[in-house]
Amino acid sequence: NAGVMQNPRHLVRRRGQEARLRCSPMKGHSHVYWYRQLPEEGLKFMVYLQKENIIDESGMPKERFSAEFPKEGPSILRIQQVVRGDSAAYFCASSPQGGYTEAFFGQGTRLTVV
Amino acid sequence: GENVEQHPSTLSVQEGDSAVIKCTYSDSASNYFPWYKQELGKRPQLIIDIRSNVGEKKDQRIAVTLNKTAKHFSLHITETQPEDSAVYFCAALGGGGRGSTLGRLYFGRGTQLTVWP
Repeated sequence: NAGVMQNPRHLVRRRGQEARLRCSPMKGHSHVYWYRQLPEEGLKFMVYLQKENIIDESGMPKERFSAEFPKEGPSILRIQQVVRGDSAAYFCASSPQGGYTEAFFGQGTRLTVV
Repeated sequence: GENVEQHPSTLSVQEGDSAVIKCTYSDSASNYFPWYKQELGKRPQLIIDIRSNVGEKKDQRIAVTLNKTAKHFSLHITETQPEDSAVYFCAALGGGGRGSTLGRLYFGRGTQLTVWP
């Protein structure tokens, strides 16, 4: 079991470009969470997804940000028209079907907007 | 919604001493409480968790206690070592009550633990 895989590990984008972050959950896990972490700060919840469904997106900005977790393939967090304030580490976590047990984090994607 | 409060935000101890981090939660329907350790530049890693049907769980130098009535849970690290230095996060799994989302993890703001040799 390879664990939660995120790619890319590092991503540099110019202001106005799109950033696309991928998360492949652990095998057998159908719940995915995305968090953002600014330097010296805690984990800020963004969105909670199950296969093909968004369960809770209350932490995600209404504009420019979107997330999906299709039936096949990884979960994608998309940030359109990035701004410098989007620079952060974005972590994905997954938990098994049912969501009532351990959640494991990926290595994160460090987004830098220049 | 569910609100997880964590204290203290920073904690410094001498090597060999004990460290205690405390968290409270608001959703009485929450029934799963994990703790994560995050070293600088790395991912949060699950170190211990507890479910609402037990009051205490221990794993070597780490223990977690849960008081469901008071809605608080604590992490205890004994015989601390410099490699225990990290940020520790508590979390509560939303039980669907009191404005929480069922199945979502709610995190505390983290505690920066520093263990001095």
